Amino acid sequence: SQKIEQNSEALNIQEGKTATLTCNYTNYSPAYLQWYRQDPGRGPVFLLLIRENEKEKRKERLKVTFDTTLKQSLFHITASQPADSATYLCALHSGGATNKLIFGTGTLLAVQP
Amino acid sequence: EAGVTQSPTHLIKTRGQQATLRCSPISGHTSVYWYQQALGLGLQFLLWYDEGEERNRGNFPPRFSGRQFPNYSSELNVNALELEDSALYLCASSSPPENEQFFGPGTRLTVL
Repeated sequence: SQKIEQNSEALNIQEGKTATLTCNYTNYSPAYLQWYRQDPGRGPVFLLLIRENEKEKRKERLKVTFDTTLKQSLFHITASQPADSATYLCALHSGGATNKLIFGTGTLLAVQP
Repeated sequence: EAGVTQSPTHLIKTRGQQATLRCSPISGHTSVYWYQQALGLGLQFLLWYDEGEERNRGNFPPRFSGRQFPNYSSELNVNALELEDSALYLCASSSPPENEQFFGPGTRLTVL
């Protein structure tokens, strides 16, 4: 069956370090992948989208990689700040008529000052 | 520009009742999506509407239904409420359909 796995445990890092979050998937061939940030009790906020033919995408302190051979995406936050503390969700999109986003359960990131 | 709005913020119902949740997409967005996020669980896809039509639905029973109005706003109806329907219901919009989704603040449904 299709499965998306993100680090189930919370990730604790020190302010200023680089946070790296992992998203692995199986039995799925996404046309593209998205990363969202979700704060408690709020709706997710879109961060980055990377397509299957792209290896890397950057936006300010954020970087996403997409390896379709390994079936893995890595999400990096450089020079992390306490304000980056949140749950980060990866979502796979099949594209086409189904237009369905399948979300992972998310990784809770805590940046310590 | 106003974001996606949802109402009500909170909704408390008892088992067997019906709940109606509402969503207004970002102006110009024609696609509306509904998700369920139960406590401690990930977002589960419920429904996708585009141009007034239901385009796709997730693995939920038929008592979860909805519609999209001519102004692209949408309504989610949950009939015969069960305790396990308690969750945060999120609405998102996008345009064109395959782009990033913009989420509303959600409606917290509690079934007693």
